[in-house]
Amino acid sequence: DAGVIQSPRHEVTEMGQEVTLRCKPISGHNSLFWYRQTMMRGLELLIYFNNNVPIDDSGMPEDRFSAKMPNASFSTLKIQPSEPRDSAVYFCASTERAEGTDTQYFGPGTRLTVL
Amino acid sequence: GENVEQHPSTLSVQEGDSAVIKCTYSDSASNYFPWYKQELGKGPQLIIDIRSNVGEKKDQRIAVTLNKTAKHFSLHITETQPEDSAVYFCAATITDSWGKFQFGAGTQVVVTP
Repeated sequence: DAGVIQSPRHEVTEMGQEVTLRCKPISGHNSLFWYRQTMMRGLELLIYFNNNVPIDDSGMPEDRFSAKMPNASFSTLKIQPSEPRDSAVYFCASTERAEGTDTQYFGPGTRLTVL
Repeated sequence: GENVEQHPSTLSVQEGDSAVIKCTYSDSASNYFPWYKQELGKGPQLIIDIRSNVGEKKDQRIAVTLNKTAKHFSLHITETQPEDSAVYFCAATITDSWGKFQFGAGTQVVVTP
């Protein structure tokens, strides 16, 4: 199994530009999570999906952030317009929600730098 | 909601010594407690987990203990090696809550040869 795949691994952009992060969950997993990691705030849950449906987006910091999951094998996190304070590592994680199984498997992350 | 506190924030140990990281949680309904290891430039990786119907679990040099009454759980690493150097995160969740984890702030472990 290839694990959770994220792209790009690194992204450098200028303030005001649109940024799109991509995630491919592990095949067969039906829940997907987007996290943001910074030194100051640690790991923050932004949004999560179950069976492609957004369940809780209360962690999304602002309307500039949006996420979609058009099918079971693909999700995007978009920031428009980006700001320097959005600089962080963004992780995608997936899990197979079955009884007694909630282990989340993380991708390698996307390091975003907004200049 | 759930709140997880993790201590210490940094831990330096000599190679071969043991390391212990402690976490407390607030929601008595939490029933699943995973531990993740994050190496530099990588995503967190699950190393061990424990469910509320078990008090202790071991996997080679790592073990996790759970005290449901006191609402705390701990990670124990014995015979530490330089490759154990990483950031370790604890987490707590209720398995029927759509899998939403509450993570601790992390512990930076440094193993010196």
